Amino acid sequence: KQEVTQIPAALSVPEGENLVLNCSFTDSAIYNLQWFRQDPGKGLTSLLLIQSSQREQTSGRLNASLDKSSGRSTLYIAASQPGDSATYLCAVRPPSGTYKYIFGTGTRLKVLA
Amino acid sequence: DAGITQSPRHKVTETGTPVTLRCHQTENHRYMYWYRQDPGHGLRLIHYSYGVKDTDKGEVSDGYSVSRSKTEDFLLTLESATSSQTSVYFCAISDPSGSSYEQYFGPGTRLTVT
Repeated sequence: KQEVTQIPAALSVPEGENLVLNCSFTDSAIYNLQWFRQDPGKGLTSLLLIQSSQREQTSGRLNASLDKSSGRSTLYIAASQPGDSATYLCAVRPPSGTYKYIFGTGTRLKVLA
Repeated sequence: DAGITQSPRHKVTETGTPVTLRCHQTENHRYMYWYRQDPGHGLRLIHYSYGVKDTDKGEVSDGYSVSRSKTEDFLLTLESATSSQTSVYFCAISDPSGSSYEQYFGPGTRLTVT
């Protein structure tokens, strides 16, 4: 059974710092992996999606990498800002044939001004 | 933002009453999902749909039913609400275009069962 873990559960950093958020999964047979951002009381906003054949994806100050063999993905945030404060979740989609995504419980990030 | 709306956005109901939540999309996406989000459990899949009238169970489907009579609407029904169903419910959509199946989420419905 696929399990997705995000450690740490919470993180505080000073503004301007580069940071890495981690996502681990137990079964390397995945179709893709998606990173989301969730602000308090809001829905999830898609940040980046990495297909199983890709190693990384970039959008602005965000870079997501994928290492299937080790069951890990990282989300790199460059030059963090207070507006980056939110909960970040990752989700994996198992191989083709199923449409279910499995979510981690998220990392709550606070960027201090 | 993807065109996904959920109604109602907030609801308080009593134990034992039926409740229906609605998800409406304007993206013509094939797949639709219902999740619940609870502290300590993260997001858990309740039911999903892979086409009109085609639905399947997720990991926490007991006490819930769904219906999808047209592409744009996916209804979640709590037949007889219980306090354990107090939660925030999210609808999501995805589509196989470009083989990405990227998921997009609605704003959520906060349900309180008293």
